[in-house]
Amino acid sequence: DSGVTQTPKHLITATGQRVTLRCSPRSGDLSVYWYQQSLDQGLQFLIQYYNGEERAKGNILERFSAQQFPDLHSELNLSSLELGDSALYFCASSGTSGTGDEQFFGPGTRLTVL
Amino acid sequence: GNSVTQMEGPVTLSEEAFLTINCTYTATGYPSLFWYVQYPGEGLQLLLKATKADDKGSNKGFEATYRKETTSFHLEKGSVQVSDSAVYFCALVFNQAGTALIFGKGTTLSVSS
Repeated sequence: DSGVTQTPKHLITATGQRVTLRCSPRSGDLSVYWYQQSLDQGLQFLIQYYNGEERAKGNILERFSAQQFPDLHSELNLSSLELGDSALYFCASSGTSGTGDEQFFGPGTRLTVL
Repeated sequence: GNSVTQMEGPVTLSEEAFLTINCTYTATGYPSLFWYVQYPGEGLQLLLKATKADDKGSNKGFEATYRKETTSFHLEKGSVQVSDSAVYFCALVFNQAGTALIFGKGTTLSVSS
């Protein structure tokens, strides 16, 4: 158990809908990262927050957004969903924003768009 | 841009065989390098890391050495077990580009008894 929790575990929805994925980092970790894992694209970095502020952006679509709240949990919002958004979404956390720090991954949320 | 290339899988071995999974990277500068492992139905776990050239990361019998001259970070284990069956990801963090991990495509290892 990494100490990172993600809810829900599975999510099935229809095209055009909007969903919210939630992540609670390890106790004391200030950085939260979101990654998408799909068969064709592999594991891709989406976005990072550090202590409530956006720190870095990767290949995140404009239809997707995220935020980190004062209690440090984070939410990833996916809207106008398309079939191609079906993937496993991982959250990870680390203690600082420093390079070389271990990132601890949650178990993921599997999103299926029908 | 920065990228990681891993050998294609799947890799199928018998128990106690020697394992090598090749990983090379492209980056301007000196990234930190990682191997993560993903067991079926689980999230990723850090297996080992190296933060500068010639560093050797090791954990649970796995080893990898940061080779700047060949831009490689190959994963090795002398004697694999059935419990090592998983997907292995090589990754880098490039200091000047932030702290997000850039992953290879992953290599599936299947070990039979």
